[in-house]
Amino acid sequence: DQQVKQNSPSLSVQEGRISILNCDYTNSMFDYFLWYKKYPAEGPTFLISISSIKDKNEDGRFTVFLNKSAKHLSLHIVPSQPGDSAVYFCAASAPGGGADGLTFGKGTHLIIQP
Amino acid sequence: DAMVIQNPRYQVTQFGKPVTLSCSQTLNHNVMYWYQQKSSQAPKLLFHYYDKDFNNEADTPDNFQSRRPNTSFCFLDIRSPGLGDAAMYLCATSRDRVGQPQHFGDGTRLSIL
Repeated sequence: DQQVKQNSPSLSVQEGRISILNCDYTNSMFDYFLWYKKYPAEGPTFLISISSIKDKNEDGRFTVFLNKSAKHLSLHIVPSQPGDSAVYFCAASAPGGGADGLTFGKGTHLIIQP
Repeated sequence: DAMVIQNPRYQVTQFGKPVTLSCSQTLNHNVMYWYQQKSSQAPKLLFHYYDKDFNNEADTPDNFQSRRPNTSFCFLDIRSPGLGDAAMYLCATSRDRVGQPQHFGDGTRLSIL
């Protein structure tokens, strides 16, 4: 049973426009959410996180939104740049709730077109 | 630069022949994790160490073991690799288990002949 779902395997966005990546989760114990970016032949790189006590966190071009009632989070990248082309993983954890490690989604391959 | 280093990047072993994967960190983080990622799937946590305290996931096969001789190093031992163990193995560290991001190495790609 997949507790973190990224329903779009791929997403194509034009350079300069906004990229929106979505993630849904089912475990109500999750209270810390993260986005990772992964290039081929490299490990995941931490991008941005959000605690369940917040509904928005912003870092430069990256903003993460959390909707707890809908069990949904999204990552907005604006403006999108060619270097943003990568696989993006959504992840969640529930420290003390039996999930100390991260539970990942399967990833969304973001392609930024010139 | 502080980082998480995995060796080797690529490992080939024979069916049933024990293999050890290595991870080291210069971040001085308390927690070290091992994940398995198969093709087109999400990384899956195998186990983690909080300092010297070992925490195994319930569905991690007994074939997989881990050692953490000191803060900097953590090893993944696969006692009798089967064809289904071919995967990318990712090591990660975090300062603490609560509210802290994990930092990943570049992984070891394990192939089984």
